[in-house]
Amino acid sequence: GQQLNQSPQSMFIQEGEDVSMNCTSSSIFNTWLWYKQDPGEGPVLLIALYKAGELTSNGRLTAQFGITRKDSFLNISASIPSDVGIYFCAGRLSGAGSYQLTFGKGTKLSVIP
Amino acid sequence: DTGVSQNPRHKITKRGQNVTFRCDPISEHNRLYWYRQTLGQGPEFLTYFQNEAQLEKSRLLSDRFSAERPKGSFSTLEIQRTEQGDSAMYLCASSSPVLDYEQYFGPGTRLTVT
Repeated sequence: GQQLNQSPQSMFIQEGEDVSMNCTSSSIFNTWLWYKQDPGEGPVLLIALYKAGELTSNGRLTAQFGITRKDSFLNISASIPSDVGIYFCAGRLSGAGSYQLTFGKGTKLSVIP
Repeated sequence: DTGVSQNPRHKITKRGQNVTFRCDPISEHNRLYWYRQTLGQGPEFLTYFQNEAQLEKSRLLSDRFSAERPKGSFSTLEIQRTEQGDSAMYLCASSSPVLDYEQYFGPGTRLTVT
């Protein structure tokens, strides 16, 4: 099936640092979403992107829909301890007439106080 | 405004038993989705309802799995003759008619098959 390549797999950062993670695919997506998941809980929607080139912010989070429609980026500025968790990108394939989301394998973020 | 709820949160069952999970979507959300998530992986799509109609099914949804949404509100996911490979987190999500690509997830049901 379709795969989204998410990187890095994990990262350890100092509190206050900025974080970048990305997601790439060989296929074109017409919607990109970023979720955060805490242990034992469901994913929480952070940002949704609908147009190529779109840049959207939600507080300290900024995400971009790549121009090629095959990638997306998430940046977190001035990280804090509660940013710890697993971040997933998810996309909806273009032209598939489908509402299913394809997810990456996640980026595990650890913040050192 | 309550979010998506799922029951039970945890289920331990013996191999070969049947299990049923329930999902209550956000009110007025007409689309409902089921996903499965195993350790270290992202969620994988299982099936999708628009109102009471089941419109998509993944190849992951073997004939031992059945999902229903009889009145277009809550949904149930049943697994018959459970196998150890069915152990996973089962996630439900819903989306509204307006922002239909934004899927909001519930807390999940953790299934352990022994």
